[in-house]
This record gives sequence, structure tokens and C-alpha cells, in this order.
Amino acid sequence: TQTVSQSDAHVTVFEGDSVELRCNYSYGGSIYLSWYIQHHGHGLQFLLKYYSGNPVVQGVNGFEAEFSKSDSSFHLRKASVHWSDSAVYFCAVSVHNMGYKLTFGTGTSLLVDP
Amino acid sequence: NAGVIQTPRHKVTGKGQEATLWCEPISGHSAVFWYRQTIVQGLEFLTYFRNQAPIDDSGMPKERFSAQMPNQSHSTLKIQSTQPQDSAVYLCASSLEFGGSAETLYFGSGTRLTVL
Repeated sequence: TQTVSQSDAHVTVFEGDSVELRCNYSYGGSIYLSWYIQHHGHGLQFLLKYYSGNPVVQGVNGFEAEFSKSDSSFHLRKASVHWSDSAVYFCAVSVHNMGYKLTFGTGTSLLVDP
Repeated sequence: NAGVIQTPRHKVTGKGQEATLWCEPISGHSAVFWYRQTIVQGLEFLTYFRNQAPIDDSGMPKERFSAQMPNQSHSTLKIQSTQPQDSAVYLCASSLEFGGSAETLYFGSGTRLTVL
């Protein structure tokens, strides 16, 4: 069974700061990793995903994430955040060739102070 | 493209009543997923259809919950005899599927179910 953990429930930064949201996974096989964002009162929106190749993947709105097999991590980063980036961010994993079901982490609430 | 449409946005039921939630996936998407979101449990997978056929319902509570996909343009999640612990936001998502590749999920805005 694959698991995803997001150790930080809440992160607060100032506008213009850089931010890293952490995600660690547990599974021994081939997996897909992705990040989704959820603004208050809305559904989740896709940010980026990784399966293979370049461990640094670029997403929408300046977000990127880096896969590390040795650390079992897929941390999300942004160099300069905007107040509109305030939202809850979910890391998710799905197992290759075992369907498309995503298992989500518990989410990290990012608050960007203007 | 209006995205995934879920209706109603909010539903309030009395304990013991039935609730039916509707989802219209993005046209052309072959997979439909239902998730439940609560503060305590987070995002929980409920069930998944591919080309209208049920593929995985491992997350569905064994009693009172059922999901259908009678045609490619809509899916329903029905909860019989609703209980207060069923209160949650129910999210529907759809995606394209190609071989074993995990495709992006597109989520609706959800239905907030409140059971009094």
C-alpha cells in the first residue's frame, strides 16, 4: 500500500518569499507523484506530476517540484509567492499500472501574508 | 468546456433521509472518480468508473452508499438513510486514460452534504 505524508499542516510566509512544501511517500514500486491545489470552496486543481526523467518538474504559476528516490520525497517549491497562492496543497501518489486512483496526503495550508 | 459539474453545491438532509449527488464529467473523459473530503479524514477515495463500468469501489462504505454511471455524461452517488457522520464535501473528478499512464484528474467544486 502506498502512503503519502505531508509533515507541515500550516505554512505562513510573506509575499515575495520562497516556499517549500514537503511531501514524502512510501512505496517500493513505480509510482506517479503529483501536486494539487485547492482554494477555499473549490475543488482541486492540478499543478504538476512526475513519473520518470528529469527529477525537477515544472508546473503552472511558477511552481516546481523535485523528486528524490533516496529521500522518498517530492517537495513543491516556488521562488516568489503571491498572496493568491494562499490555498491548501495536496501531494498525491498513484501506482503505475494499477489504475488511476490517487492517494492524497493530508494537505498543507499555505498562507501568504501581503 | 465547463469542467466537471457537480450538483447541488450544498445539500442539507435530516438523519435517515436519502441524498443523491450528481456529477457531469468533462466530455470525452473515460474515467470518473468520487472522493469524500472531511477535516478529520482528509481526502478519501470512494469509487472509480472507467467507460461507465465500475472498476474499483474499495473506498465505498459497505452499507448505504452506492454509485452509478448510467451513461457517459453523468454519474450519481446515492447515500441512503444518511447519518451525521456522512456530512462531508463529496468531490467528483474525471480524466482521460491512456494505457497505464496516470492522467491528470479534473475536479468539480464538490457537493457539501450536511446531515442534521
